[in-house]
Amino acid sequence: DAKTTQPTSMDCAEGRAENLPCNHSTISGNEYVYWYRQIHSQGPQYIIHGLKNNETNEMASLIITEDRKSSTLILPHATLRDTAVYYCIVKAGTNAGKSTFGDGTTLTVKP
Amino acid sequence: DVKVTQSSRYLVKRTGEKVFLECVQDMDHENMFWYRQDPGLGLRLIYFSYDVKMKEKGDIPEGYSVSREKKERFSLILESASTNQTSMYLCASTSGTENTEAFFGQGTRLTVV
Repeated sequence: DAKTTQPTSMDCAEGRAENLPCNHSTISGNEYVYWYRQIHSQGPQYIIHGLKNNETNEMASLIITEDRKSSTLILPHATLRDTAVYYCIVKAGTNAGKSTFGDGTTLTVKP
Repeated sequence: DVKVTQSSRYLVKRTGEKVFLECVQDMDHENMFWYRQDPGLGLRLIYFSYDVKMKEKGDIPEGYSVSREKKERFSLILESASTNQTSMYLCASTSGTENTEAFFGQGTRLTVV
């Protein structure tokens, strides 16, 4: 699996959009970028994933650069409930369950 | 709403006890996984299963075993619990379709005293 690099922590103000970056410079052509988040003392929750096109769902948007070496998760209107650890993971095929979750980015949304 | 349900949220067991952690998914998923999560170590894969009665070791299988008698249920067994198995345990499942996401349970926080 390609290694990912994320900032250790970020703060944002409630109601603002927040962009969480992820570098994955060794990503292979068939690997997808997945984002999960983990709210304190709960299991990780899937947010979004994509291959090369930008994706949007009810939770967030995912922007993947043209060279696919980095991506950005966009939370359009951060709320206090978005305070969590956000993980960026690169995986291919049917192996999404065998994902390596590193330290992720601890996002703190402040009032 | 799809669900992965773990039998206990919190569990306290004594050293040497045999411990069963149960996980059930209602999505007819082929693949199921057990992780443990410890501060500073991220999520580490213990065992996984791609089919009924099938199991494969993950990165840290020592001290654990698993059972998958039915497609929807995947059990993690601590044969003789030890204090270093105090941890958060997470179950996950995925479908057999390529490039789909993993669904996680809410976690079981196990304390071995």
